[in-house]
Amino acid sequence: DQQVKQNSPSLSVQEGRISILNCDYTNSMFDYFLWYKKYPAEGPTFLISISSIKDKNEDGRFTVFLNKSAKHLSLHIVPSQPGDSAVYFCAASASGTASKLTFGTGTRLQVTL
Amino acid sequence: GAGVSQSPSNKVTEKGKDVELRCDPISGHTALYWYRQSLGQGLEFLIYFQGNSAPDKSGLPSDRFSAERTGGSVSTLTIQRTQQEDSAVYLCASSPVVSNQPQHFGDGTRLSIL
Repeated sequence: DQQVKQNSPSLSVQEGRISILNCDYTNSMFDYFLWYKKYPAEGPTFLISISSIKDKNEDGRFTVFLNKSAKHLSLHIVPSQPGDSAVYFCAASASGTASKLTFGTGTRLQVTL
Repeated sequence: GAGVSQSPSNKVTEKGKDVELRCDPISGHTALYWYRQSLGQGLEFLIYFQGNSAPDKSGLPSDRFSAERTGGSVSTLTIQRTQQEDSAVYLCASSPVVSNQPQHFGDGTRLSIL
């Protein structure tokens, strides 16, 4: 039972353009969402998070949007840079579960020149 | 160190052997988590510690898996009688408290069972 889904295994975007990575979840108890970026042979690096009381959170080039009614969140990267090429994981947790994170399977982003 | 440190970075062992994986969290972080990532999969929760106690062991796949944490710091994950399906990257994360705060990950231990 995949509670967090990233349906696009890969995405290719030109440098300077917007990258949009999507994530869907099924567990209505999730109230905290995070995006992590992962390079090969390294651990995931925290990028940005959003609480369910918000619908948008922005940090520099990264913006996360949350649509609770659709159980959908997205990560926008503007402008995309070659160094953004990595695997991006969406994760979620529910209050009272000690922030135990449930991860999606990841989307590999390739930013081309 | 500044980040979460895990050792060894790679471990190759024969089926049936026991292995021990180590995690040194960020100093002062009271919450410590173990996850694993099998090939082509997302990260799967195994266990978490609040201080030295482990209130949630629900993710441990079998009784061959155990973990402990001492002094509120270093944690070890032990896998007994390893099987080929145990091959994965084992990741440790820590956070300041057990609440809605980002977890910071180490680089993992890549475990290969022959």
